[in-house]
Amino acid sequence: DAGITQSPRHKVTETGTPVTLRCHQTENHRYMYWYRQDPGHGLRLIHYSYGVKDTDKGEVSDGYSVSRSKTEDFLLTLESATSSQTSVYFCAISDGGSTDTQYFGPGTRLTVL
Amino acid sequence: GENVEQHPSTLSVQEGDSAVIKCTYSDSASNYFPWYKQELGKRPQLIIDIRSNVGEKKDQRIAVTLNKTAKHFSLHITETQPEDSAVYFCAASRSSGSARQLTFGSGTQLTVLP
Repeated sequence: DAGITQSPRHKVTETGTPVTLRCHQTENHRYMYWYRQDPGHGLRLIHYSYGVKDTDKGEVSDGYSVSRSKTEDFLLTLESATSSQTSVYFCAISDGGSTDTQYFGPGTRLTVL
Repeated sequence: GENVEQHPSTLSVQEGDSAVIKCTYSDSASNYFPWYKQELGKRPQLIIDIRSNVGEKKDQRIAVTLNKTAKHFSLHITETQPEDSAVYFCAASRSSGSARQLTFGSGTQLTVLP
């Protein structure tokens, strides 16, 4: 597995609380992504980053924000968590260039009560 | 935006038989089509991918075919084994000049019966 870690791996929180998920890579890859995975929907892109401080929205970005202050770290923030944001969140990285392969992290299971 | 449809949602085969999973996409500009395998509780892992300038690609028991005219691509697994049991996802994307935004299908649960 590529050098990708996610923290925390599991979290239970209450509606209305802020939550931050962290993705950390040791591969020095340029591109980083956040996906959510829900039954029947596959994986859906939330936000992505194409460099330090360079981010853009994906398919399901409402209610989420991201930040990337260092190449190795990509943070996903739920400003005010809702039950509809209960999901498994995966971070992915890619190098771009000659290969488009996206490597996924181990995932974070988030439950919003 | 891109839309990817994947069929079937579940597939059961006998060990040793072949399995075929099909995907269609909507954006004719899509040019990269990866397939991921996800075992229960694990992360998705790339098993094979194909680009729009190639019609078929093989890697041992796994092959992917692409029909750009019809906008569909398929995963073929031959001589299936119990360890092939997993959820398989197809995806499609186009070059955007920056990051590749993958659009995934909804997944196929493959069960290989011993």
